[in-house]
Amino acid sequence: EMQLVESGGGSVQPGGSLRLSCAASGFTFSKYWVHWVRQVPGKGLVWVARINDDGSSTQYADSVKGRFTISRDNAKNTLELQMNSLGGEDTALYYCARTSGSGGGAFDVWGQGTMVTVSS
Amino acid sequence: SYVLTQPPAVSAAPGETATITCGGNHIGSKSVHWYQQKPGQAPVLVIYYDNDRPSGIPERFSGSNPGTTATLTISRVEAGDEADYYCEVWDTDSDHWVFGGGTKLTVL
Repeated sequence: EMQLVESGGGSVQPGGSLRLSCAASGFTFSKYWVHWVRQVPGKGLVWVARINDDGSSTQYADSVKGRFTISRDNAKNTLELQMNSLGGEDTALYYCARTSGSGGGAFDVWGQGTMVTVSS
Repeated sequence: SYVLTQPPAVSAAPGETATITCGGNHIGSKSVHWYQQKPGQAPVLVIYYDNDRPSGIPERFSGSNPGTTATLTISRVEAGDEADYYCEVWDTDSDHWVFGGGTKLTVL
């Protein structure tokens, strides 16, 4: 079974940092682009960042550029998101998801999400 | 930045057809994907590349993208179809992925 499992969420104070992880299993992780997508409870889905299959290329939403860093370890089948300078607007459920192929492929496998709460 | 516009809510009685629209500039030139999200669950892909269905998704779900507005159509609506639905595209100009605001489907 293809699976993505997020971890690392929690509560952090404004200005703090947090590192999320996503463990992949059941498919050849190194062949897929992977992303972080977040969702404020009760609100819509928002794309955050993506990394290509070999980790050589990344892209970020304007709202997180310069504060978040996406990375991957294909040997360990893991995806990470380093989040710095966190603010209340970053409070959300963070999903990792893969896209089938590069560019316009669909998000066909999703994790269950890990909650990040930024509050003093 | 690219924007996708969905109606906030749509309703349909069991057995009827529900239609959810997704508007965007020159959306016909993009590949549109649709996701279903039920409360407390992760999104599930229901339509990809405008009108293809993943395995396991009922034939009642179909999509189209003729040019000005993309559409998700759910035929013979069932109570279990009640969920939020999101359209999504990859904006090639910005290399960003964009989701619509979501449409809540209520089964009457």
